[in-house]
Amino acid sequence: GAVVSQHPSRVICKSGTSVKIECRSLDFQATTMFWYRQFPKQSLMLMATSNEGSKATYEQGVEKDKFLINHASLTLSTLTVTSAHPEDSSFYICSAEGRQISGETQYFGPGTRLLVL
Amino acid sequence: SQQGEEDPQALSIQEGENATMNCSYKTSINNLQWYRQNSGRGLVHLILIRSNEREKHSGRLRVTLDTSKKSSSLLITASRAADTASYFCGADSSYKLIFGSGTRLLVRP
Repeated sequence: GAVVSQHPSRVICKSGTSVKIECRSLDFQATTMFWYRQFPKQSLMLMATSNEGSKATYEQGVEKDKFLINHASLTLSTLTVTSAHPEDSSFYICSAEGRQISGETQYFGPGTRLLVL
Repeated sequence: SQQGEEDPQALSIQEGENATMNCSYKTSINNLQWYRQNSGRGLVHLILIRSNEREKHSGRLRVTLDTSKKSSSLLITASRAADTASYFCGADSSYKLIFGSGTRLLVRP
């Protein structure tokens, strides 16, 4: 149990385009989902926290108009990188918390590698 | 800085040896969680220790927590080549995880 998937696993796009990344909890209902960004050989930086049916809470320094987060259901959250630029190239990872299994443990998706040309 | 610190940043040991990684954090916490990450992959949850616990075991893993020093350690006993990965601690504070900088562990066969 406690499986989180992400799609796509890799994406290459041109500068100026928008990219949507999906995060799904496959076998549990995720009351809260988190989006992280990770640069090579560095730690995970929390970008935002999203609760189902409400607006996401962004961390300081993260542009909410640049990184649009939607958490429309208890099993799906999406991150859209709008007007992507090369500096947005990174590894994006989502995680999910589910009430039924363990409200405190976050289960992570496999990540999405974004390359903006 | 959002992050805590982990040391060492990198650790290379021989298979069969024990590996110890340390983590420090900055705020009060509800719990602390340890994860491993293989290169280019997501994080795999290893163990969670609550703020009122001092030590916890899971298989070959032993975690300690010292809230007075705001630090935790992860011990992997009898290491295997398959344990090669990066290890991160995540401090659960205000219902979100703040991650340390990670330790890259290499277990030589």
